[in-house]
Amino acid sequence: AQSVTQPDIHITVSEGASLELRCNYSYGATPYLFWYVQSPGQGLQLLLKYFSGDTLVQGIKGFEAEFKRSQSSFNLRKPSVHWSDAAEYFCAVGLSGGYNKLIFGAGTRLAVHP
Amino acid sequence: DTAVSQTPKYLVTQMGNDKSIKCEQNLGHDTMYWYKQDSKKFLKIMFSYNNKELIINETVPNRFSPKSPDKAHLNLHINSLELGDSAVYFCASSQDSGRRYEQYFGPGTRLTVT
Repeated sequence: AQSVTQPDIHITVSEGASLELRCNYSYGATPYLFWYVQSPGQGLQLLLKYFSGDTLVQGIKGFEAEFKRSQSSFNLRKPSVHWSDAAEYFCAVGLSGGYNKLIFGAGTRLAVHP
Repeated sequence: DTAVSQTPKYLVTQMGNDKSIKCEQNLGHDTMYWYKQDSKKFLKIMFSYNNKELIINETVPNRFSPKSPDKAHLNLHINSLELGDSAVYFCASSQDSGRRYEQYFGPGTRLTVT
C-alpha cells in the first residue's frame, strides 16, 4: 500500500541553523512528491514538488528537496532557518491512476529558537 | 483576493445536528477536494470533484455528502453529527484532475461537535 512516513514528529532548531526534514515513501510506480507547509491556523501552502528530471528541486522561501530513488526519500532542507519558518511541514505523494489523489505523511512540527 | 475560501471558519454544534461547510475557488480550476485533518494533524482526502463529477470517494460515512453546484463551488453537508467528526476540514482545488497539478488549499473550517 502507498504510504508516506515522516519519522520526526517535532524538530527544534536555532534561528540561523540548517534544517533537514525527513520523508520516506512507499509507492510502486514513479512518485510525484510534494512538500507543503501549514502555518498555525492556516491552510497548506506548496513549498516544492518533484515529478521528474533533476533530483534536487528548489522551492519557495529558500527551501530545497532532494529525491533519492534508492532510499525512497524526499528530504526537505534549508541552509538557514528563520523564526517565521516555524510551522507544520507535510510531505505527500501523488498517486497515478488518473486522479490527483495525495497521500500525506503525519507531518513534522518545526519550532525555531531565537 | 482569496483563491480558495471556506465558510464558516469555525463551527461549533451539538451531536445529532446537520451542518454544511461551503467552499469556493476563484482560480478557474476544474477539480476540487475535501480533506479531513484530525486532532493529530493527519490529513486524509475525503472527496474530489472534476467538472461537477465525483471522481474520488474515499471510505467516509454516508452522513457526509458533497455537492458541487458548479465548478467553482464544492460544499460538504454532514448529517447527524458525531463527536468523532470534530476536525479541521480543508477544501482544495487544482487546475485539473491529473496528479501533476498543484492543489491549492483553503484556510480550513474547524468543526467542533459537543
